[in-house]
Amino acid sequence: KAGVTQTPRYLIKTRGQQVTLSCSPISGHRSVSWYQQTPGQGLQFLFEYFSETQRNKGNFPGRFSGRQFSNSRSEMNVSTLELGDSALYLCASSLRTSGTNTGELFFGEGSRLTVL
Amino acid sequence: SQQGEEDPQALSIQEGENATMNCSYKTSINNLQWYRQNSGRGLVHLILIRSNEREKHSGRLRVTLDTSKKSSSLLITASRAADTASYFCASRVYSGGGADGLTFGKGTHLIIQP
Repeated sequence: KAGVTQTPRYLIKTRGQQVTLSCSPISGHRSVSWYQQTPGQGLQFLFEYFSETQRNKGNFPGRFSGRQFSNSRSEMNVSTLELGDSALYLCASSLRTSGTNTGELFFGEGSRLTVL
Repeated sequence: SQQGEEDPQALSIQEGENATMNCSYKTSINNLQWYRQNSGRGLVHLILIRSNEREKHSGRLRVTLDTSKKSSSLLITASRAADTASYFCASRVYSGGGADGLTFGKGTHLIIQP
C-alpha cells in the first residue's frame, strides 16, 4: 500500500507570495491532518479534515487554510507568506471512520517551505 | 501550546545500551502515542498506549503510562545506530467540542554512538 504522498517536497517563495501544498493519503484513509514543524515551536497542529469537512483547527491565522476533496486528497494554502512561515509542513492520514479520531497517524515526508 | 514535554531534550548513549525518554502531559488523555522522526523526514508511529493501560511492549520498545502523574516513558532496549532519531510523545486534548488535533511535545533527540 502506498504511503502518504506530499508534493512538492521542497519549495522556495518570497514574502507576500502564496503557496499551495498537496497531500494524498493512504488509500482508504478518510482523515487528513496538517502540521507545521519549526525548530522554535516544534510540531504544531494546523487542521484536520474528514469527509471534506474541517473537523478541528489549530491556533493559526486565517492566512492558513485547507480543503479536502471527495477522494480524500487534501491541500493547504498559505497566503501572504511571512519569513516565519518557513517550516516543514507535514501531512498525516488516519483510519478515522466517524466521530473522534483517536488512532495513529501515518505521516508523509513533508514539504519544506523556505520563505525569503 | 505543548501538551507533552519530553525529557531529556537530548540523549547520547553507546550502542547496545538502553535509552529511556520521559514525557509529561497536562490534561486528561484518551491515549498517548510515541513517534520517531529521522532528521528532516516524516514521523513514524511507534506505539500507542490507552489511558486504561499501564504498560505496553512492541519489540525492543517498552512504554509505560502513569495517568495519576500524567507521565509516560519510552524505553528502547539494546539500542542500535539506526535508533538515532528524535522521539516525540503525542496526545489529544478533549474539549467541549470533542477531540482536538494531536499535540506533540518538543521531542528527545537520541544519538546512538557506535
